[in-house]
Amino acid sequence: GAGVSQSPSNKVTEKGKDVELRCDPISGHTALYWYRQRLGQGLEFLIYFQGNSAPDKSGLPSDRFSAERTGESVSTLTIQRTQQEDSAVYLCASSRDRGGETQYFGPGTRLLVL
Amino acid sequence: GENVEQHPSTLSVQEGDSAVIKCTYSDSASNYFPWYKQELGKRPQLIIDIRSNVGEKKDQRIAVTLNKTAKHFSLHITETQPEDSAVYFCAASKPMDSSYKLIFGSGTRLLVRP
Repeated sequence: GAGVSQSPSNKVTEKGKDVELRCDPISGHTALYWYRQRLGQGLEFLIYFQGNSAPDKSGLPSDRFSAERTGESVSTLTIQRTQQEDSAVYLCASSRDRGGETQYFGPGTRLLVL
Repeated sequence: GENVEQHPSTLSVQEGDSAVIKCTYSDSASNYFPWYKQELGKRPQLIIDIRSNVGEKKDQRIAVTLNKTAKHFSLHITETQPEDSAVYFCAASKPMDSSYKLIFGSGTRLLVRP
């Protein structure tokens, strides 16, 4: 079936503006992850959703970052009052269930904060 | 928390030679170790993974070895081809966490010279 999709693919915004990024996981995948990848660096965990359980928000870098997910469907990552250091590729991944472990990544949203 | 270190940061090999990338992890409770390949501007793609109940796994030209005592694991690519050129990331996770978040290494840029 279709893989993980994300939108927009690219986003340019001005410092101080809010942005919203969207992730559509693979159908049937109950676990959903957000990661951030700065230029030339590895992936940093941000947040994890599993079904209706409380999300693991331990990777969110500040209170300007938040994310939501309704059930086992779409998730949105919101960054308020964007800063230049928020510029990065934001990657979403999903997996079949918490025990499945294999995570499949979306193409990412490339965010540039001017 | 878990920390994953990856070496080397860059690796250049002649086509047909072997390439080895090494990672160490800090948390002995980690038990799942995937390797992802990321081509320029594209999403990370899982190429092979290993769980802690085995010491080695092979898939055609790719193999991964795990030494739980030393807490390190390695990716071996034999008979390298130019299309193997990419950035490779190792990662670790432990299911006892509230989530199965992956902790990534910093990446290895592999260049296969024709």
